[in-house]
Amino acid sequence: DAGITQSPRHKVTETGTPVTLRCHQTENHRYMYWYRQDPGHGLRLIHYSYGVKDTDKGEVSDGYSVSRSKTEDFLLTLESATSSQTSVYFCAISEGTSGGGNEQFFGPGTRLTVL
Amino acid sequence: GEDVEQSLFLSVREGDSSVINCTYTDSSSTYLYWYKQEPGAGLQLLTYIFSNMDMKQDQRLTVLLNKKDKHLSLRIADTQTGDSAIYFCAPYSGAGSYQLTFGKGTKLSVIP
Repeated sequence: DAGITQSPRHKVTETGTPVTLRCHQTENHRYMYWYRQDPGHGLRLIHYSYGVKDTDKGEVSDGYSVSRSKTEDFLLTLESATSSQTSVYFCAISEGTSGGGNEQFFGPGTRLTVL
Repeated sequence: GEDVEQSLFLSVREGDSSVINCTYTDSSSTYLYWYKQEPGAGLQLLTYIFSNMDMKQDQRLTVLLNKKDKHLSLRIADTQTGDSAIYFCAPYSGAGSYQLTFGKGTKLSVIP
């Protein structure tokens, strides 16, 4: 299994509080991604990174920010959590287009509940 | 952008074959991935097919690609209870984009 960890694995927080989720990889992969998974929506991309300090928005980026100061860490921040951000969050990594493909490897997920 | 469609549910008896279907819209998709998600876990890369192939076999898994109709299928032979999971189709077109677009997933239930 790819060396990807996410912390925390579970979190319950209140509306309006800031929340930071961490993704850590030991594979030295260039690309990192944050997805959210909701019933009826499948996986939707929030933000991704293509290198240290290089990030871009995904499909559902409103209300989220990210930072990547080191190759191995990708942080997802909810500045002021809302109930609509209750979800399961997955981090993924990939080497990108080496060989033409983009196989992504996923972490175990963080279940976030915003009350 | 890419649209990916999958049936939401599939139920099969243990020992039978399962066929999970996927349609996509981006004809420039070069790699087409299948992922498996077991309950409470992340997604696991199962297999993939390159767009210049019609079929790829990997043990009990067979991937069929109809590029003209933009239709992808995953066949699982001799389905076992351990195959119960959600299966996601994810085409990738490259061309400067590093994003995979996932279907909503097909939940496979295996009846003992």
